[in-house]
Amino acid sequence: KAGVTQTPRYLIKTRGQQVTLSCSPISGHRSVSWYQQTPGQGLQFLFEYFSETQRNKGNFPGRFSGRQFSNSRSEMNVSTLELGDSALYLCASSFNPNQETQYFGPGTRLLVL
Amino acid sequence: AQKVTQAQTEISVVEKEDVTLDCVYETRDTTYYLFWYKQPPSGELVFLIRRNSFDEQNEISGRYSWNFQKSTSSFNFTITASQVVDSAVYFCALSEWETGKLIFGQGTTLQVKP
Repeated sequence: KAGVTQTPRYLIKTRGQQVTLSCSPISGHRSVSWYQQTPGQGLQFLFEYFSETQRNKGNFPGRFSGRQFSNSRSEMNVSTLELGDSALYLCASSFNPNQETQYFGPGTRLLVL
Repeated sequence: AQKVTQAQTEISVVEKEDVTLDCVYETRDTTYYLFWYKQPPSGELVFLIRRNSFDEQNEISGRYSWNFQKSTSSFNFTITASQVVDSAVYFCALSEWETGKLIFGQGTTLQVKP
């Protein structure tokens, strides 16, 4: 069974631009969560989607948004990029939300210049 | 408050030594799940184990073992006879019962030298 896939793996953007990251969950998994990892703040929860609906959102500004499609694939978008948005963005999938084990993808490394 | 603390920032051992990674958590939930993940240099978080709060049985899986003690809010992870391939960052995480979101500790970097 294929794992969680994320594209692109690496991305370089400049301040003010916007970016879209994609995540394909493990086949059969319907819940997708996104996390941001930085050296200073560690791993922080961004949001979770289930059945094309955002169930939970972390403490991030409105520049961070996401969506989920009917095939459970998810995208997250960051608008008006700031230098501090440079991070590893990890996507995780689980069969259902709440207390299921989350399996992570390889992440997208975003560098904002 | 929901919080996970991994007090050990970095640990360095020589191959074949045993090593224990500490994890202490705080939670307002009476039922919860705890996890350990491994992050090799490639960046992907690899799931290692999940334990629920009402099952305090310790678990052993090959060279890995976990010691869960609810009384001290600890969920420690031991690698027996460490190998160079065990070098990675290890994260302990708590699952928030209401939302299911994972709250991670800061991670412990383990370096196993040959």
